[in-house]
Amino acid sequence: GAGVSQSPRYKVAKRGQDVALRCDPISGHVSLFWYQQALGQGPEFLTYFQNEAQLDKSGLPSDRFFAERPEGSVSTLKIQRTQQEDSAVYLCASSQLPPRGSVTDTQYFGPGTRLTVL
Amino acid sequence: DAKTTQPPSMDCAEGRAANLPCNHSTISGNEYVYWYRQIHSQGPQYIIHGLKNNETNEMASLIITEDRKSSTLILPHATLRDTAVYYCIVRVAGGGSNYKLTFGKGTLLTVNP
Repeated sequence: GAGVSQSPRYKVAKRGQDVALRCDPISGHVSLFWYQQALGQGPEFLTYFQNEAQLDKSGLPSDRFFAERPEGSVSTLKIQRTQQEDSAVYLCASSQLPPRGSVTDTQYFGPGTRLTVL
Repeated sequence: DAKTTQPPSMDCAEGRAANLPCNHSTISGNEYVYWYRQIHSQGPQYIIHGLKNNETNEMASLIITEDRKSSTLILPHATLRDTAVYYCIVRVAGGGSNYKLTFGKGTLLTVNP
């Protein structure tokens, strides 16, 4: 079946511009995660959704970052007034069961969106 | 989640076994060891996970020491396509607030022809 898809794959933005990054999770996956990966570093958690509910947004670096998943499927990560330090790869992952389920809550990642802020 | 320690880089000859170590000396009894890898310009890919018994799947084997303070991921016959950063992650599976994955810097495995 289809995996997690993300679009666009690459985005170049001028500083101060708003951007929107899209994630299409694996069909039927309840949980959805966003991670940020700076160059040379491992991914870092941003936010987590269970269906349409955003249960954890503790990793969002500032109030310029906003994520939504209105119908419990597709999710959008929006960054307002982009800054150069926002340049990174933004990864989306989904998993089949809510975390409070079983050991089979493996997260499957999309290819990421590489954001470059000039 | 317990912290993990991995060597920053390793080399392996194509066709040979790649053995990637991970130390997790502060692991708790309900924490699993997960391995992911990330090939250049791709998202992380799940490889395998285990609690205390050794595990094997079509991709790799996971050997966990009896005291669970360390583990080794084994790629039995490494190919050039196995060149990637390998992340060892310790977390509680299905564990409420522990759903997030905490990545370190991982080990860059380079498979040489």
